[in-house]
Amino acid sequence: ETGVTQTPRHLVMGMTNKKSLKCEQHLGHNAMYWYKQSAKKPLELMFVYSLEERVENNSVPSRFSPECPNSSHLFLHLHTLQPEDSALYLCASSQDRVNLPYGYTFGSGTRLTVV
Amino acid sequence: DAKTTQPPSMDCAEGRAANLPCNHSTISGNEYVYWYRQIHSQGPQYIIHGLKNNETNEMASLIITEDRKSSTLILPHATLRDTAVYYCIVGGKKAAGNKLTFGGGTRVLVKP
Repeated sequence: ETGVTQTPRHLVMGMTNKKSLKCEQHLGHNAMYWYKQSAKKPLELMFVYSLEERVENNSVPSRFSPECPNSSHLFLHLHTLQPEDSALYLCASSQDRVNLPYGYTFGSGTRLTVV
Repeated sequence: DAKTTQPPSMDCAEGRAANLPCNHSTISGNEYVYWYRQIHSQGPQYIIHGLKNNETNEMASLIITEDRKSSTLILPHATLRDTAVYYCIVGGKKAAGNKLTFGGGTRVLVKP
């Protein structure tokens, strides 16, 4: 365990389903992130939350909807996904501090398959 | 944030040192160099970071050139469990919304 817990580890959903991915960090960090990793591709940053405010949304389709109710929890709500959305979804957290490095701690990811 | 260039793959022998190069010629003065690795289907794992001085921890050493345009990650005694994709990333420091942008990394295969 890294201090960042993602559930579920695996998810299979149909294109008309609605599901949510959950991420919880126990590190006291103040920033959280969603990344997507498709097969044979680099990690793609999706969303950045700092102090529970969304500070970046990297042109992600609206069928992905993030939610950060507090600094320890981050959700990714999924609806009407496409098969090409099948990927490993990774959550990370960090401690944002001015003029100091900000190493990320990643969770183990949710392997999503859209059928 | 500055971009990095890494070789796509490299092999190394178990028990020997593995030297992973990274070019970051457009790095700016306040950007750190970070190294992460990702073992198959797991989340990336932090290894080490540095600004301009060489750094060492229990996992690896980081050597940064004097002009900061390149760096080398050294795994002193590679084991089979070090087989992974290694990412070199440079990033700045902001008050909020700091982000790490991952490239393709170097796929390292440690062979017996």
